[in-house]
Amino acid sequence: GAVVSQHPSWVICKSGTSVKIECRSLDFQATTMFWYRQFPKQSLMLMATSNEGSKATYEQGVEKDKFLINHASLTLSTLTVTSAHPEDSSFYICSARTAGRLYQPQHFGDGTRLSIL
Amino acid sequence: DQQVKQNSPSLSVQEGRISILNCDYTNSMFDYFLWYKKYPAEGPTFLISISSIKDKNEDGRFTVFLNKSAKHLSLHIVPSQPGDSAVYFCAASALGNEKLTFGTGTRLTIIP
Repeated sequence: GAVVSQHPSWVICKSGTSVKIECRSLDFQATTMFWYRQFPKQSLMLMATSNEGSKATYEQGVEKDKFLINHASLTLSTLTVTSAHPEDSSFYICSARTAGRLYQPQHFGDGTRLSIL
Repeated sequence: DQQVKQNSPSLSVQEGRISILNCDYTNSMFDYFLWYKKYPAEGPTFLISISSIKDKNEDGRFTVFLNKSAKHLSLHIVPSQPGDSAVYFCAASALGNEKLTFGTGTRLTIIP
C-alpha cells in the first residue's frame, strides 16, 4: 500500500518551455501533497505544500509564479515549471500523506529529472 | 540553520554486521522521526518511524532508537545485506506541522 506515482520520470526540453509534472496517490487519499527539489549530492528541499481544494503554501525563496501547483483532487497534484530555464534543471520529487491521521509517514514518488537545454 | 544533522556522510559495513546510522536534531518541537532509504534517481522509500512517546521501534532488521534528552536518534540494521547499500535520510516533523525536515544523508555501503 501507500504507492505514489510521479510522471514523467525524465524530461528534456528547450529553455522557455513550460513543463507539467503529475503526482498521484494510487491507493490512498491525500489531502496534502508535498513538492521537493534535490540538487546533486544534497538533501531534499521542500518547495511547497499542496492542499486539496486550496492554494499551495510555498517555502521562502520559492517563486510561486514560477512553480505553479494545483491539487484538484484527493489523489492528484501537479507542479508546472513555467518558462523553464537551465537553472531550473533538477530532480523534483513529490510525496503524499494519508489524510486525517497523526504520525503517518510521507510516501514519495520516484521523482522527475528535469533537464532544460 | 540545519535543524536535522547527519554528521557522517558515508559509512562502510561488512555484510552480516550491524550498521548504525546516526542523526541529531536541534528543534525541541520535533516529535515524529522517520528514516528513508534512497537510491540514485529514485524517490525516498519509507523505512521506519518513531514518535516521541517511544524510545525504540523495531521492524524486522530495522530498529530506530530515540534519545530525547540528547536530541539524537539512530537506525540499526542487522544483519546488513548488500541491498542495503543506499543513501539514508533521517527526517523530523513537529506536531501539527506535516512538513518534514530532512538531514543531509549518509551513504551506506555494505561490503560483501
